[in-house]
Amino acid sequence: NAGVTQTPKFQVLKTGQSMTLQCAQDMNHEYMSWYRQDPGMGLRLIHYSVGAGITDQGEVPNGYNVSRSTTEDFPLRLLSAAPSQTSVYFCASTRGRAYNEQFFGPGTRLTVL
Amino acid sequence: DQQVKQNSPSLSVQEGRISILNCDYTNSMFDYFLWYKKYPAEGPTFLISISSIKDKNEDGRFTVFLNKSAKHLSLHIVPSQPGDSAVYFCASGAGNMLTFGGGTRLMVKP
Repeated sequence: NAGVTQTPKFQVLKTGQSMTLQCAQDMNHEYMSWYRQDPGMGLRLIHYSVGAGITDQGEVPNGYNVSRSTTEDFPLRLLSAAPSQTSVYFCASTRGRAYNEQFFGPGTRLTVL
Repeated sequence: DQQVKQNSPSLSVQEGRISILNCDYTNSMFDYFLWYKKYPAEGPTFLISISSIKDKNEDGRFTVFLNKSAKHLSLHIVPSQPGDSAVYFCASGAGNMLTFGGGTRLMVKP
């Protein structure tokens, strides 16, 4: 099992550009989530999904879109990048619900200039 | 307004001694609690969890204590090892959402 994979590992964007961060898992997990990690702020939930076709907003959803067309994939879209979105982004998945052990990907470090 | 707080940004402990990491939360609706460990340039990994119906859970060297009346949980690591040096995040949740604290950097000195 590859677990949770994320691409790219690093990305630099200019303000106003859009991009998609990819996340995939091969564990047949129902629950998937996206977090951003900023210094001193811990991880903050952006969006989550409890199954294919179902998504919901987390704590900091503004400026981000998600979709869940398959169980395996949960891409995160930045619509119009802003410097405030400079962060490290982590995708995670788990069987069932968020209170179970979540498996995290290695992260994507995004810089918006 | 942070609902989950780890008030100690860092902690230094001698190898073999006990490490105690603390976490406070404000939302009384939280009914499950977890600890994650994170090494640099890696994603967090799950350590241990506890539900609100318990006040203690053990897994090897790791024990989590929950004091619901004080809205406080702690992670004890005994004995501490140099490989335990990492950032530790507590997380609290209700429903489908998990809220993380800001993290505590633990340094275990040989």
